[in-house]
Amino acid sequence: AQTVTQSQPEMSVQEAETVTLSCTYDTSESDYYLFWYKQPPSRQMILVIRQEAYKQQNATENRFSVNFQKAAKSFSLKISDSQLGDAAMYFCAYRGEYGNKLVFGAGTILRVKS
Amino acid sequence: EPEVTQTPSHQVTQMGQEVILRCVPISNHLYFYWYRQILGQKVEFLVSFYNNEISEKSEIFDDQFSVERPDGSNFTLKIRSTKLEDSAMYFCASSEGFAVWGASNQPQHFGDGTRLSIL
Repeated sequence: AQTVTQSQPEMSVQEAETVTLSCTYDTSESDYYLFWYKQPPSRQMILVIRQEAYKQQNATENRFSVNFQKAAKSFSLKISDSQLGDAAMYFCAYRGEYGNKLVFGAGTILRVKS
Repeated sequence: EPEVTQTPSHQVTQMGQEVILRCVPISNHLYFYWYRQILGQKVEFLVSFYNNEISEKSEIFDDQFSVERPDGSNFTLKIRSTKLEDSAMYFCASSEGFAVWGASNQPQHFGDGTRLSIL
């Protein structure tokens, strides 16, 4: 069975600085999808960025980018120029190529200091 | 931007009672999902639903659980006889799109969740 591990329960970053959130996963599949979701307090989970495993190029979405290392089964999220609105719980998630379910990590709480 | 909406936001129920959690997925989406998160634990997949039938379910989703799309807009999760351990946040999600072997390759969009408290 696939597993997703987020080893950082909590991270802090100064406004305007860069922070990296870690995620590792375990799978025997060769093709799959990886996602980062953001969940602000008492709000819904919002998709931040996704990566298809067959693509070697790392995904980017404005200030958000990933470092996808397929051989190491690592999928970290980098947030550049951090803003107060980035404060949230961040979940890393895995989905197999032919499956429906998302497998989530435990989440990392990101605090942004002004 | 269209959203997945869930009602109620908080449901308190006596143990042994039936509860129905409601969701309105995004209107052009074809795939629907329920997840739950017990306090302090990971978000866990319960079930996915496509073309009016369950396409995948987890071992958590036993005979006490059922899902239904009673009309063109609602998607419901019913727990027949609630237990204390059913207390959790329940998230509904939906995705559009191109089907690959019964699975959607499109990202899932989540609702705000329903907090279910069993007394």
